[in-house]
Amino acid sequence: DQQVKQNSPSLSVQEGRISILNCDYTNSMFDYFLWYKKYPAEGPTFLISISSIKDKNEDGRFTVFLNKSAKHLSLHIVPSQPGDSAVYFCAATYQGAQKLVFGQGTRLTINP
Amino acid sequence: GAVVSQHPSRVICKSGTSVKIECRSLDFQATTMFWYRQFPKQSLMLMATSNEGSKATYEQGVEKDKFLINHASLTLSTLTVTSAHPEDSSFYICSAREDRGPEQYFGPGTRLTVT
Repeated sequence: DQQVKQNSPSLSVQEGRISILNCDYTNSMFDYFLWYKKYPAEGPTFLISISSIKDKNEDGRFTVFLNKSAKHLSLHIVPSQPGDSAVYFCAATYQGAQKLVFGQGTRLTINP
Repeated sequence: GAVVSQHPSRVICKSGTSVKIECRSLDFQATTMFWYRQFPKQSLMLMATSNEGSKATYEQGVEKDKFLINHASLTLSTLTVTSAHPEDSSFYICSAREDRGPEQYFGPGTRLTVT
């Protein structure tokens, strides 16, 4: 049972444009969501998070949007840069839980 | 801040031997640490959750006698792969969490190759 789903295994975006990565979840108990970026042969790096009491959180070029009614979140990167090419994982958790539930990841490629 | 280190970064061992991987939180106290495994082109698979001073909680399907986890202090957790076999070859990643939030901070990973 995949509670967190990233339905696009890959995404290709031109440098300077906006990258939009999507994530859906099924467990209505989830109340905190995170995005991680991962380069090959490295550990994931925490990017940005959002609590369910908000619908948007912004940090520099990264913005996460949460639509609770649709159980959907998205990560916007603008403008996209070549260094953004990586695999992006969304993750979810709920208060009292220790572990994160990860999606399958989306490989983002930024083309010059 | 929130730096997690892993040692070694890569290790090659012979089948039947054991190998220990260390995970350290360098600038914070980690009440909870996690061990993941990643197969090529796949997502992160949580193996176990460890709390300082108590036994680890293993995910379904993970052999606790094969993957020994020790979390002896607030900054150090170790994973020992016992009697390693080639199918244990993988990328092992640890993460650590402070009490104040759900964010996990990941180490750089350890590439294990069993020959």
